[in-house]
Parts: sequence; C-alpha cells; structure tokens
Amino acid sequence: EDKVVQSPLSLVVHEGDTVTLNCSYEVTNFRSLLWYKQEKKAPTFLFMLTSSGIEKKSGRLSSILDKKELFSILNITATQTGDSAVYLCAVETNYGGSQGNLIFGKGTKLSVKP
Amino acid sequence: DVKVTQSSRYLVKRTGEKVFLECVQDMDHENMFWYRQDPGLGLRLIYFSYDVKMKEKGDIPEGYSVSREKKERFSLILESASTNQTSMYLCASSLFQGADEAFFGQGTRLTVV
Repeated sequence: EDKVVQSPLSLVVHEGDTVTLNCSYEVTNFRSLLWYKQEKKAPTFLFMLTSSGIEKKSGRLSSILDKKELFSILNITATQTGDSAVYLCAVETNYGGSQGNLIFGKGTKLSVKP
Repeated sequence: DVKVTQSSRYLVKRTGEKVFLECVQDMDHENMFWYRQDPGLGLRLIYFSYDVKMKEKGDIPEGYSVSREKKERFSLILESASTNQTSMYLCASSLFQGADEAFFGQGTRLTVV
C-alpha cells in the first residue's frame, strides 16, 4: 500500500531558528512530490519536486528530493511567527499513461514562538 | 485515524454529462472542502461547507455545485462537464473551522473527453 510519512508530527521553535521537516514515502510509480503549507482557506503550494538532488528555493524555504532513499526535506531558515502552520507533504503517482493520485502525509505542525 | 473516502479514484466522463463526486468522512467533522489540483497551480478551493445544508463558494466555484444533506457526506456536482474540468479532485474535512488542520481523501482523477 502506498504511504507517505512525515516527521516530526509537531515541532516548537523560536523565531530565528532553522527547521528541517522530513517526508519519506513508499509508493509505486512515483511521479512527483509536493509540499504545501496548510492555511485557513486552502493549502498553499510551496514546491513540486520531480528530480533527485536538485534544490528548490523560495525565500527562506528550500526543499530537496532523494529518489534513491525515498525522502524529501523542507528547510525553513530564520523562522518567523508567520511560518506557524501545518506543513503537508504529498506524493503524486502515475497510473498507466495518465496521472495518478495524491497521497498525503499526516503533516508536521510547526509552532514558532516569538 | 480519520478516514476521508472519495467514491472513485478514476473517472472518465463525456462533455455535457452531469458528474457526481462523493466524499464521506467518519470523524463527525463539521467542515468539509472540495479542491482541484492542477499541475503548477497547487490546490484551489472550489466549495466548502461548515455545516449540514450549508455551503460557501471558494475561489473557483464556476461550473460546480455541492450538496451536504448529511454531516458525513459532501458531494461535488459538475452540472455539465467540460474538458477544462479534467483534473484531480480532492476532498478534505476538518474539526475546526478552516483548512489548516484538514484531512484529505485520496483524490479522484477525472478526465472529461
């Protein structure tokens, strides 16, 4: 059965700290891995990763995928209170010649204290 | 564990057909959401519901309607399917208001031909 496991489940840090969130997966027919920041109305898309070893960056956030070891990390540097959220990892799978389904992890709840 | 179940994983429908996507959650959550996921666009909110028989439009409600007759079930309806509605559809539910701690279903890949 396909699964996505995120760790830790929750994390409390202070402003200015750097955090690393982990996502490991076991799926058949991997297509891509996505990171989202869960917010009030809808999760905000952060990154889509398809190739191993290529870091994607957006401001203080960065992410990388390791397709050999089947995991991804999301780094947040110089954390701010506005970074407090649940961070979701999802893996998209292929099905035959078409795009497949999204399998979500349970999320990591990040709390950033002033 | 919370379980959010979408009735179909893969659907192929013809243009103009009426399409029903069903979602059921088993944790007595008040709030339910329908999203679509398209490459490069992330998740976009179509409709959400904070209570039985209550619905609110999300960011992209055009061409869709919803029904919530029972607390555990939230249906997304495409009144007349079009090819631009080919997408991955995701249902979610949450206990507290807002999607920030929502649980997701496995998705329905809809292809409109």
